[in-house]
Amino acid sequence: DSGVTQTPKHLITATGQRVTLRCSPRSGDLSVYWYQQSLDQGLQFLIQYYNGEERAKGNILERFSAQQFPDLHSELNLSSLELGDSALYFCASSGGDHRYEQYFGPGTRLTVT
Amino acid sequence: GQNIDQPTEMTATEGAIVQINCTYQTSGFNGLFWYQQHAGEAPTFLSYNVLDGLEEKGRFSSFLSRSKGYSYLLLKELQMKDSASYLCAVRGTSSGGYQKVTFGTGTKLQVIP
Repeated sequence: DSGVTQTPKHLITATGQRVTLRCSPRSGDLSVYWYQQSLDQGLQFLIQYYNGEERAKGNILERFSAQQFPDLHSELNLSSLELGDSALYFCASSGGDHRYEQYFGPGTRLTVT
Repeated sequence: GQNIDQPTEMTATEGAIVQINCTYQTSGFNGLFWYQQHAGEAPTFLSYNVLDGLEEKGRFSSFLSRSKGYSYLLLKELQMKDSASYLCAVRGTSSGGYQKVTFGTGTKLQVIP
């Protein structure tokens, strides 16, 4: 158990809909990262937050947005969903005593039908 | 920007030794990570190198040469459970001046009896 939690574990929704994925980092970690991993694909970095502020942006679509709240949990919002958005979405956190390595949550498997 | 290259697939025999290579290009290098990812699961942290040389941790060792932009992960006494993808990730400086970690596409290792 990495200490990072993600909800929900699975999500099935239709095209055009909007969903919110939630992540709670490890206790003491200030950084939260979001990744997308499609079937048999590598990890695609989406966005990073540090202590509530956006720190780095990767290949995140304009239909996607994220935020980190004062209690450090983070949410990833995906809107106008398309079939190609079906993927595993991972959240990771870093900081605290071991500030460099990232600890990954179990992921949310999103299926868009 | 950051660029990471590692072989797509490798096959090795149970009980043997396998070396997975990673070459990278990055601005402001500040560390290289190796992660293990079993299919459908979250990546888990294996090792971190920031100085040249070999870091040993049980059956796994990781080597770094900063001047060559090169790292390898060495797995000894291979077990069937080592069948997984191995991700090389590099920490460097983003265009915004912040620290950013970029993941390679991973090397899928198959261990055969």
